[in-house]
Amino acid sequence: GIQVEQSPPDLILQEGANSTLRCNFSDSVNNLQWFHQNPWGQLINLFYIPSGTKQNGRLSATTVATERYSLLYISSSQTTDSGVYFCAVESGSARQLTFGSGTQLTVLP
Amino acid sequence: KAGVTQTPRYLIKTRGQQVTLSCSPISGHRSVSWYQQTPGQGLQFLFEYFSETQRNKGNFPGRFSGRQFSNSRSEMNVSTLELGDSALYLCASSPGGGKAFFGQGTRLTVV
Repeated sequence: GIQVEQSPPDLILQEGANSTLRCNFSDSVNNLQWFHQNPWGQLINLFYIPSGTKQNGRLSATTVATERYSLLYISSSQTTDSGVYFCAVESGSARQLTFGSGTQLTVLP
Repeated sequence: KAGVTQTPRYLIKTRGQQVTLSCSPISGHRSVSWYQQTPGQGLQFLFEYFSETQRNKGNFPGRFSGRQFSNSRSEMNVSTLELGDSALYLCASSPGGGKAFFGQGTRLTVV
């Protein structure tokens, strides 16, 4: 099956700093989504981005499907941005999301 | 619109028992998927239902089963619970694929 790798596994920032999270995948995908898992465990959908670039406030994402990677940018980070960020892809005819292992982001005040 | 609702939020069960978890999708969404999250294995796909039909199943033993009702609500059942079944179980809904919206999860502890 498709492999999804996220980097870095852990990231510690000072409030106000910018960061880039990366997601590499091993095969072509039908869709790619970025999630933020809040402290209560819920996965919040940040972007549905099979290709191209999207922006939502301080967050933006770019997927280059031909090169099999996606980037999530967080600008002017806030302590509330802390948590685990997951990339998930759907590939082929399989109607399932395959998740990466996540990036644990800690934003210090 | 109300979000995805999972009940119960927390459960403690004894080895050998069975458990049923419930998921109510966003109104109008016909696809419901279930995932298991553990510290060791991460997020793993269990199964996906669309219009009461299971369209896809992950690599889990037959003790894990599910169903979907005509109103798109879904249940998953785990029989003969094992300690390793302790996990956060997450449900996601979508119109029929595409952008997924997750519930808050059910945290199952097997003792």
